[in-house]
Amino acid sequence: QVQLQESGPGLVKPSETLSLTCTVSGDSISSYYWSWIRQPAGKGLEWIGRIYTSGSTNNNPSLKSRVTMSVDTSKNQFSLKLSSVTAADTAVYYCAREGSGSYYRAFDYWGQGTLVTVSS
Amino acid sequence: DIQMTQSPSSLSASVGDGVTITCRASQSISNYLSWYQQKSGKAPKLLIYAAASLQSGVPSRFSGSGSGTDFTLTISSLQPEDFAIYYCQQSYSTPRTFGQGTKVEIK
Repeated sequence: QVQLQESGPGLVKPSETLSLTCTVSGDSISSYYWSWIRQPAGKGLEWIGRIYTSGSTNNNPSLKSRVTMSVDTSKNQFSLKLSSVTAADTAVYYCAREGSGSYYRAFDYWGQGTLVTVSS
Repeated sequence: DIQMTQSPSSLSASVGDGVTITCRASQSISNYLSWYQQKSGKAPKLLIYAAASLQSGVPSRFSGSGSGTDFTLTISSLQPEDFAIYYCQQSYSTPRTFGQGTKVEIK
């Protein structure tokens, strides 16, 4: 069974950089797209971006150039950095896998989510 | 970006009722449409992918249909564990986008 687990600081100061890591277990990270998705309290889901195991990325233009993602196949992990954070970046952050083939790129596995609060 | 619009935003129904939620895409997405269920404090759970394919382990009372721009999620007979928020999501292009959610509440 594939499992994803987010980790990282739960509190980040305004203007600093949010850093999260997602560790994948139960399957190789290779040959999939891996996404970050966030959800402010009481609101809907926002896709942040995705990374392939080759390192190629796609980001949400709404976040401008604040997003950096990386992948470490040796550790079965991928990471997110979001720079210049403000209170508007306070949310639960999820990592998720895009299913391949007949899954038509649905998010078939999700982490449990981690709350990141931006506050001084 | 492809906009996803769900209706209704919320609904009240009783156990045993049939329920239909609709999702409309701002442009054709073929059948690159998924449905998720989210319960309070939990991660979304995949219910339906490719517009009409039931994810493994999901009860058969859930079904999806549609293609192009118009899609539906149907719950044939609501069970107590089905009261949750439901989201549609397109994977036709990036950025991936979600509907705003439909909250299914107990009447």
